[in-house]
Amino acid sequence: AQSVTQPDIHITVSEGASLELRCNYSYGATPYLFWYVQSPGQGLQLLLKYFSGDTLVQGIKGFEAEFKRSQSSFNLRKPSVHWSDAAEYFCAVGRPPPSNTGKLIFGQGTTLQVKP
Amino acid sequence: NAGVTQTPKFQVLKTGQSMTLQCAQDMNHNSMYWYRQDPGMGLRLIYYSASEGTTDKGEVPNGYNVSRLNKREFSLRLESAAPSQTSVYFCASSLGTGNRNTIYFGEGSWLTVV
Repeated sequence: AQSVTQPDIHITVSEGASLELRCNYSYGATPYLFWYVQSPGQGLQLLLKYFSGDTLVQGIKGFEAEFKRSQSSFNLRKPSVHWSDAAEYFCAVGRPPPSNTGKLIFGQGTTLQVKP
Repeated sequence: NAGVTQTPKFQVLKTGQSMTLQCAQDMNHNSMYWYRQDPGMGLRLIYYSASEGTTDKGEVPNGYNVSRLNKREFSLRLESAAPSQTSVYFCASSLGTGNRNTIYFGEGSWLTVV
């Protein structure tokens, strides 16, 4: 069965510091991979996604993620964190074709706190 | 600029009561979803509707029913609420069912069952 693990429940970084949020998945083949962000009291917003090709994916708000097949990982990074990045971050996987059901499996989420 | 709209935003129910969460999208999307979010468990899919007139169970469908009223609207009903259904519920939509389609989420509905 598919699963997604985000090992870090809570991370605190200083403003201006770099950030890496970890995501590991379990799936028989290469799934579609996503990172979402949820600000307090808000719905989820897509940051970036990976389907195939270049393993380094650029997203919105200065985020990027790297797919590493050998490690079954899709870690999210940002070179310099801003206070507005404080939020909860979710990694998710979806089945590639032919299983085009649009369903996603989410990780448990990582809460990011940014210190001034 | 509405996107996905859910109502109500907050609700407190007594055990055994019923209620319906309403969801509407104005993006002409074909597919709609209901997820629940619980602490430490991420989001889990309850039901989805690949297109108007179809609905399918997701990961955690027990205790829920859904209706795809038309292309715009997808409601979630709790027939007899239980404390285990205390959660934040998110409606979402996408143009198609393929995972290449971006899924857009509503702002959530906080439900407490006492």
